[in-house]
Amino acid sequence: NAGVMQNPRHLVRRRGQEARLRCSPMKGHSHVYWYRQLPEEGLKFMVYLQKENIIDESGMPKERFSAEFPKEGPSILRIQQVVRGDSAAYFCASSPVSSSTDTQYFGPGTRLTVL
Amino acid sequence: GQQLNQSPQSMFIQEGEDVSMNCTSSSIFNTWLWYKQDPGEGPVLLIALYKAGELTSNGRLTAQFGITRKDSFLNISASIPSDVGIYFCAGSLTGTASKLTFGTGTRLQVTL
Repeated sequence: NAGVMQNPRHLVRRRGQEARLRCSPMKGHSHVYWYRQLPEEGLKFMVYLQKENIIDESGMPKERFSAEFPKEGPSILRIQQVVRGDSAAYFCASSPVSSSTDTQYFGPGTRLTVL
Repeated sequence: GQQLNQSPQSMFIQEGEDVSMNCTSSSIFNTWLWYKQDPGEGPVLLIALYKAGELTSNGRLTAQFGITRKDSFLNISASIPSDVGIYFCAGSLTGTASKLTFGTGTRLQVTL
């Protein structure tokens, strides 16, 4: 059973460009979470999605950031008009049916560098 | 917002030594988790704690969920070189399948 997959692993963008980060959850998992990690810091929650629904987006910046988890295909975290402060590692996690003890399994992350 | 502080920030120990690190919160959590992150990788779950006062072991690892629900500690016994990495605590109000709040991390270096 393959783990959570994220691509690309590394992404370089110039200021003003768009960044698209993809996450394929583990097989059988219908819940996806996105976290951001700045250098030397812990992970910060961004958004929690189920298929076709955003459950909790309390950690998402109000502008330029959006996330989706369509019925078919991977979850996408989209950052429009990137700025240098968006440079970070973005991690996706997935879990199966939402219960109080379901573990979140993390992917290897996408490292975004904004020039 | 909620904040988790971990101490120490970093530690250098010799192989075979026991390690202790802790995590404190400004507010209550109902679930505490400990993760390990290796360079260039995502966090891997080590131990999950669901009940105040709970003490749980996983091999050489032991973790406890503080009785006040505002703290937790992780002990590693007889450390080995592959224990090197960053250890994060994380808390949740509503269980593991929901928003996790991560601590600031403890960087562990093990010398031979």
